[in-house]
Amino acid sequence: QSVLTQPPSVSGAPGQRITISCTGTSSNMGTGYDVHWYQQLPGTAPKLLIYGKNNRPSGVPDRFSGSKSGTSASLAITGLQAEDEADYYCQSYDISLSGWLFGGGTKLTVL
Amino acid sequence: EVQLVQSGAEVKKPGESLKISCRGSGFSFSSNWIVWVRQMPGKGLEWVGIIYPGDSDTRYSPSFEGQVTISADRSTSTAYLQWSSLKASDTAMYYCARRSSRDNYFDPWGQGTLVTVS
Repeated sequence: QSVLTQPPSVSGAPGQRITISCTGTSSNMGTGYDVHWYQQLPGTAPKLLIYGKNNRPSGVPDRFSGSKSGTSASLAITGLQAEDEADYYCQSYDISLSGWLFGGGTKLTVL
Repeated sequence: EVQLVQSGAEVKKPGESLKISCRGSGFSFSSNWIVWVRQMPGKGLEWVGIIYPGDSDTRYSPSFEGQVTISADRSTSTAYLQWSSLKASDTAMYYCARRSSRDNYFDPWGQGTLVTVS
């Protein structure tokens, strides 16, 4: 069971805005560690999507954005496109584990 | 180009040993932590362990401690994940990735190695 909790699925129509939540604890996000987001398209390796305080690697559209407050974080996608259909994972560092944690993943369906 | 290239898919029987690899290029391999991540069929991502090739400092997730061994060869810029006795429950896709030097995120990722134990 992941210590970072994500909804199993979200959906939205093309053009809409959706958010994916990620809830942590006092031993990870609550300690000040950043949350990072990955996109995994079907049959491919995960790809870094958002890192640190809402930073996007080169090539990631500005339709994707991240935010964090206390022990909660969220990924927002605006102007939803069919190509955004994928699994999304949040990730942080946990001091109790002395290691890295992933959320359980959220499957995004574009209707 | 910074990239990680993993070895090909493996099909093994229970009880057999296995060592899969992850070769880095385009960056200083010895000066970057390399992580291994497991993804069981239809499931999420799990941190297996991480190694710093510069001095072979290795950390394991409690869930994987004693179950796998992570190593690295600086001369070939290659990290390894190995099992001494595979179980059916080890069937999964295994990814390697580079930990950022600035923060605790992983980029880039290897293409993955599918391990099937049956």
